[in-house]
Amino acid sequence: AQSVAQPEDQVNVAEGNPLTVKCTYSVSGNPYLFWYVQYPNRGLQFLLKYITGDNLVKGSYGFEAEFNKSQTSFHLKKPSALVSDSALYFCAVRDSPPASWGKFQFGAGTQVVVTP
Amino acid sequence: EPEVTQTPSHQVTQMGQEVILRCVPISNHLYFYWYRQILGQKVEFLVSFYNNEISEKSEIFDDQFSVERPDGSNFTLKIRSTKLEDSAMYFCASSVSGGPGGDTDTQYFGPGTRLTVL
Repeated sequence: AQSVAQPEDQVNVAEGNPLTVKCTYSVSGNPYLFWYVQYPNRGLQFLLKYITGDNLVKGSYGFEAEFNKSQTSFHLKKPSALVSDSALYFCAVRDSPPASWGKFQFGAGTQVVVTP
Repeated sequence: EPEVTQTPSHQVTQMGQEVILRCVPISNHLYFYWYRQILGQKVEFLVSFYNNEISEKSEIFDDQFSVERPDGSNFTLKIRSTKLEDSAMYFCASSVSGGPGGDTDTQYFGPGTRLTVL
């Protein structure tokens, strides 16, 4: 069974500083990893995903994530945070068929607070 | 850009009543999902649906829950007899395929329906 952990409930960073949101995973087969962002009173917005290939994945709004198989991690990063990046970030993992037909397992979420 | 839409945005109901939450997935998507998020907790998978059948469901999705694609555009979640613990935000999602691989299995989420059971 797959699972994902986000060890930090909240990350605080000053605007312009690098932002990192941590995620570790556990899957029985090949990992398929996703990051979503949730703004207040909004649904989940897709940021990026890792399926295969290059370990560094680039996504929307300047975000990127690095897949590390040995550490079973998929940390989300942004070189220079903006106040508008303040939101709730979810890491998600899915297994491959036939173990799973699309079920995403979400982490608990990490609240990012970017201060001016 | 195409979006998943959900109605209503907020539903208040009495315990024991039936509710139907509605979703319009992105038009060329073939796989549909429901998730829920109890306040302050993580997003939990409920069910996936493809070709008019449930593909996968969680232990949360018991006999009180059902899903249906009544026509070519809507995807509904019915809770037959609501309980207090059903109060949550319910998210619908859709994807082109069940994946994985490529760009077709990314799930796109609607804005959610907040269900309050009194």
